[in-house]
Amino acid sequence: QQQVKQSPQSLIVQKGGISIINCAYENTAFDYFPWYQQFPGKGPALLIAIRPDVSEKKEGRFTISFNKSAKQFSLHIMDSQPGDSATYFCAASLLNDMRFGAGTRLTVKP
Amino acid sequence: DAGVTQSPTHLIKTRGQQVTLRCSPKSGHDTVSWYQQALGQGPQFIFQYYEEEERQRGNFPDRFSGHQFPNYSSELNVNALLLGDSALYLCASSSGQRFNQPQHFGDGTRLSIL
Repeated sequence: QQQVKQSPQSLIVQKGGISIINCAYENTAFDYFPWYQQFPGKGPALLIAIRPDVSEKKEGRFTISFNKSAKQFSLHIMDSQPGDSATYFCAASLLNDMRFGAGTRLTVKP
Repeated sequence: DAGVTQSPTHLIKTRGQQVTLRCSPKSGHDTVSWYQQALGQGPQFIFQYYEEEERQRGNFPDRFSGHQFPNYSSELNVNALLLGDSALYLCASSSGQRFNQPQHFGDGTRLSIL
């Protein structure tokens, strides 16, 4: 069963713009929320992750915003570059379970 | 520092056959988890191996089995292959059994069933 809903399915952004991908989860026991970046022919690479005791985490151009009460979290990519074009997956996990969203295909146009 | 390595990269089989996929975890990691990623979908958890035993299992039939060796490497075996088994099979490694920590993925094995 799907426990992590990700949107949008695809996203087109101009170079220099902000890309925003959203995820919603159901199980309030989840306590670790990573984002993965996947290029064609490659495995997912961990981009950034957050735990529910903080509302925001920033690493370079990538920021996770976390809303515990709404059971939602989002990835913001600032100053998006063509090299950011990839599929992004959110995930939610706890001690003995990990669920992925269906993915967002991001295209950054030059 | 070698990351997670998987072999082979591509494999073509026919229905009813059996297949074995292999994974070497990242240096320093002792836990291996296997995932199935269908085209256009997120990875689905198959099972996890720690201390040479299957510790967690997702909603996959018994046709999917595995093994972990003393050097922490792992194999995924699939018997009686079905067309629906066509997918990218990913191996992820971590230090310890917990899922709520960073997992490092390999580039996967693309399995095609004819």
